[in-house]
Amino acid sequence: GAGVSQSPSNKVTEKGKDVELRCDPISGHTALYWYRQSLGQGLEFLIYFQGNSAPDKSGLPSDRFSAERTGGSVSTLTIQRTQQEDSAVYLCASSLGSGGWETQYFGPGTRLLVL
Amino acid sequence: SQKIEQNSEALNIQEGKTATLTCNYTNYSPAYLQWYRQDPGRGPVFLLLIRENEKEKRKERLKVTFDTTLKQSLFHITASQPADSATYLCALENSGNTPLVFGKGTRLSVIA
Repeated sequence: GAGVSQSPSNKVTEKGKDVELRCDPISGHTALYWYRQSLGQGLEFLIYFQGNSAPDKSGLPSDRFSAERTGGSVSTLTIQRTQQEDSAVYLCASSLGSGGWETQYFGPGTRLLVL
Repeated sequence: SQKIEQNSEALNIQEGKTATLTCNYTNYSPAYLQWYRQDPGRGPVFLLLIRENEKEKRKERLKVTFDTTLKQSLFHITASQPADSATYLCALENSGNTPLVFGKGTRLSVIA
């Protein structure tokens, strides 16, 4: 079956512009996560959706970042007024449920470069 | 404060030897700990999960241990091959239905 897909795979934008990153999780997965990975760094948790519950936004670095998940499936991460420090790989993952025993399945990521 | 530390940023070993990677954590009490592999330009891929009541878990050439007293997990790759070269990440649950917390990873290079 299809895995997690993300689009675009690469995005170059100018400082101050808004960008939207898309994630298509595995069908039937109720949990969806967004992470950021800067060069040579670990995964930085951004936001997490579980079913119909309110998302856990505790990892969002500023109010320029937001995300939504429509119909319990596709998710969009939006970065407004991008800054150069936003340059990173943005990874999306999904899992069947949200317990600590659940495997997270990752997409290939979107590489964002802010000039 | 809560921390997850993976022993080193990079580890180089000779082909055929056993690679041992360390994951130490502070101020967590995870019931589960997971290990993932990440290749350059790709997302992490799940390898193994170990529960707090399991001392050891094996899968082919991989072995994971989990010592809740030492607050440490060890990840072993026996008979290592150049194809095992990748970054390996440990991840643990924070509490209940919260996202996994990932370590920064150890970049393993297996030299032929």
